[in-house]
Amino acid sequence: EDQVTQSPEALRLQEGESSSLNCSYTVSGLRGLFWYRQDPGKGPEFLFTLYSAGEEKEKERLKATLTKKESFLHITAPKPEDSATYLCAVQAGSGNTPLVFGKGTRLSVIA
Amino acid sequence: NAGVTQTPKFRILKIGQSMTLQCAQDMNHNYMYWYRQDPGMGLKLIYYSVGAGITDKGEVPNGYNVSRSTTEDFPLRLELAAPSQTSVYFCASSSGFRGRNTEAFFGQGTRLTVV
Repeated sequence: EDQVTQSPEALRLQEGESSSLNCSYTVSGLRGLFWYRQDPGKGPEFLFTLYSAGEEKEKERLKATLTKKESFLHITAPKPEDSATYLCAVQAGSGNTPLVFGKGTRLSVIA
Repeated sequence: NAGVTQTPKFRILKIGQSMTLQCAQDMNHNYMYWYRQDPGMGLKLIYYSVGAGITDKGEVPNGYNVSRSTTEDFPLRLELAAPSQTSVYFCASSSGFRGRNTEAFFGQGTRLTVV
């Protein structure tokens, strides 16, 4: 059974204090790993897709990396507006398989 | 460009009532999904569709039904609502390229309470 585990469950940072969120996965045949941001009362918003180990993608203060067992979402010098829940999801197997989501990391950035 | 539109945004149902959650997308995506999200539990897949006329069960399909008669619409039907179906429901859609899912676009959600 495909599993996605995110840690920590919650993270509280001071503004400017860099950190990383972890997404570890146990799947057969990873086809893609996705990061989403979710604000309270809203639907998830796409951030990144990573397809192979060693791949990295950046967007503003966020950088996502991928290894064969896990992905990290690095947040550099975060601002209060970065506060949100960050979700990780994987697509695995063959054919048109849907995404399997982790439970998310709730990030709070304090000014 | 509206993206994925869900209606209603909020609904309160009594136990045993039925309702349909509507979902429409205007991006000509083949793939559509229904997820439910409970506090601290992430997103769980209810049903999905890879194209008009094709649907398949996800992780938690019991108590729900879907149909996909057009590319644009993917309604979710709740029959005999139960308190355990109190949740936030998200519809999403995505295109595919060479068998891979591209990023999914989500609606704003329907917050359902069963009392």
